[in-house]
Amino acid sequence: ILNVEQSPQSLHVQEGDSTNFTCSFPSSNFYALHWYRWETAKSPEALFVMTLNGDEKKKGRISATLNTKEGYSYLYIKGSQPEDSATYLCALEANDYKLSFGAGTTVTVRA
Amino acid sequence: NAGVTQTPKFQVLKTGQSMTLQCAQDMNHEYMSWYRQDPGMGLRLIHYSVGAGITDQGEVPNGYNVSRSTTEDFPLRLLSAAPSQTSVYFCASSYGWGARNSPLHFGNGTRLTVT
Repeated sequence: ILNVEQSPQSLHVQEGDSTNFTCSFPSSNFYALHWYRWETAKSPEALFVMTLNGDEKKKGRISATLNTKEGYSYLYIKGSQPEDSATYLCALEANDYKLSFGAGTTVTVRA
Repeated sequence: NAGVTQTPKFQVLKTGQSMTLQCAQDMNHEYMSWYRQDPGMGLRLIHYSVGAGITDQGEVPNGYNVSRSTTEDFPLRLLSAAPSQTSVYFCASSYGWGARNSPLHFGNGTRLTVT
């Protein structure tokens, strides 16, 4: 199980503002990087699975980039809305069928 | 479209009792896994399975057993419950071999308290 770190642990953002946060991971044994959104009282839901260095994925106002050589991924939320309030998890998939999750970044959007 | 179904949603056990958390998926996913969620920590892998008849240990397997007799079902057994097993448990599955390039689909979780 590999050490995956997310920062910051939590953040507050004003409605309409954009924000971003980081997932850091060991670059050796990399196979894929997953992002999940976890809303309160629900279960985690997949946002992206990224495999290629330089990959960029987008889903509505949320996008993610990946740097496998230096071992980090950024998640961006553009024009934050209250419904974006959630904990965002990243997970590293190595070549052993296991996912190692970070502790998450909790985003609170203030109206 | 049921997806991943976990039962029960809540459970209270006394120390030393045993129980089974049920997990079933109707998506014909090969890969199934169990995680526990504790405050301030990421999801930690307990056990996983890459297909019927195949299981393996994750990060925190002690005190738990699993079996995979069918593609659909992946029960998690607590052999002798301990207070340290108080947690929220999630079952998750994905299509394809292992979790490779396939996102996990999560059940709704089981909140377990051991007194």
